[in-house]
Formats: sequence, structure tokens, C-alpha cells
Amino acid sequence: AQKVTQAQTEISVVEKEDVTLDCVYETRDTTYYLFWYKQPPSGELVFLIRRNSFDEQNEISGRYSWNFQKSTSSFNFTITASQVVDSAVYFCALDYTGGFKTIFGAGTRLFVKA
Amino acid sequence: DTGVSQDPRHKITKRGQNVTFRCDPISEHNRLYWYRQTLGQGPEFLTYFQNEAQLEKSRLLSDRFSAERPKGSFSTLEIQRTEQGDSAMYLCASSLTSEATNEKLFFGSGTQLSVL
Repeated sequence: AQKVTQAQTEISVVEKEDVTLDCVYETRDTTYYLFWYKQPPSGELVFLIRRNSFDEQNEISGRYSWNFQKSTSSFNFTITASQVVDSAVYFCALDYTGGFKTIFGAGTRLFVKA
Repeated sequence: DTGVSQDPRHKITKRGQNVTFRCDPISEHNRLYWYRQTLGQGPEFLTYFQNEAQLEKSRLLSDRFSAERPKGSFSTLEIQRTEQGDSAMYLCASSLTSEATNEKLFFGSGTQLSVL
């Protein structure tokens, strides 16, 4: 089965706290892509990162970092020093089809309080 | 603004009516996708076009749904004889097939459909 699980439905933190959003995926394919998208209250999903299955190097972009571990089929997302503007729903996603079908997790709603 | 645009933003209709949504992708993008999102869930794939060819359809897309992309540019999604279960946000996305950007989706703001 091809599946993405985001076990955390909602997370609430206070500004400046670090927060990690978990993502576990299932796929039989050896070639696949993993993504994180952000959906702010305005509704438009915004691409954050893409990672292919052969590249397990962790990535950092400003306050965002991603930890990809094939051994545990996880692709976790950490926001350091969270800000109110980070409040949104975050989706982890999997593409094993070469670009024509992306499977999304159910999302994690992040509330960052001032 | 050169992003993906969708029209209308909101649509309220009565059960049994037909509705049509439009999506204008980013102009140079050759791939166009329709997704459906219900409250508290992630987007679910409905269908995909490569240029004007519809190459993949989900089992979620019943016979009442039809999508077109006649000239490989904008796309329409029509739902006939709407049912209350069709109420959802309908999202359009586009992408460009290239080594650097493959599979990265650019989404529109969606059309929120409410069937009364």
C-alpha cells in the first residue's frame, strides 16, 4: 500500500518554541519523492521541500529543517523558534508515480501562540 | 499574478444541479491536476492531464464528473447532478516536467463547493 501518515492532528506551541511535525510513509517503490506543503488560512497550498528517495541528506532552510530516514520510513519537519506566521496546516506527501499522482497525509494543524 | 487561478472561489448549489469550475494553470506548465479536499483531510487526487491528454483518473471520479483541457491550457471540471457528498474544496494544481521541478505542484486557491 502507498500511504502517508501524519499522526499528529493538531499541535499548539508558544512562539519561539521548536516544534517537530512527524510523517511516516509506506511505499513498495524504490524510487519516490517526498514533499512537505504548507496550507495557511488563505487556503492555497505552498510547496516547502521535495526530497527524492536516494537522497537521505538532511536539509536546513532558515528556521526549517527536514530529517529523512529511510530505515524508519520517516520524513519529519522541524520548525525552530516558531513564529505566529507559521500557524497553518502542514501536509506531508508522497509521489511514487513519476509526477502524475501525489498522495497526501491528513495534515497537522499547527497553532503558534504569541 | 502568474500563479494558478481558479474560478469561482465559492459555489453554492442545490442538489441535482450541474456545476462547472475553471482552472488556469501557470502558462508554461504542461501538467494539470485536480484534487478534492474535505474538512480535516489532505487533498485527494482526482485526475491529471499532460497537455490536453487526460492520462489518469481516480476511482473517486464517478461518471457524474468530467474534466477537460481542450487546448492544453485551462481546464474545466464539471459535476453533473450534484449530491451533498460532493461538497468539498476542489483544488487545481499545475507542474512543469523538468529535472529540477518535476513533481513539484503549484496549487490554486481552490473552489469551495457547497451542495444544499
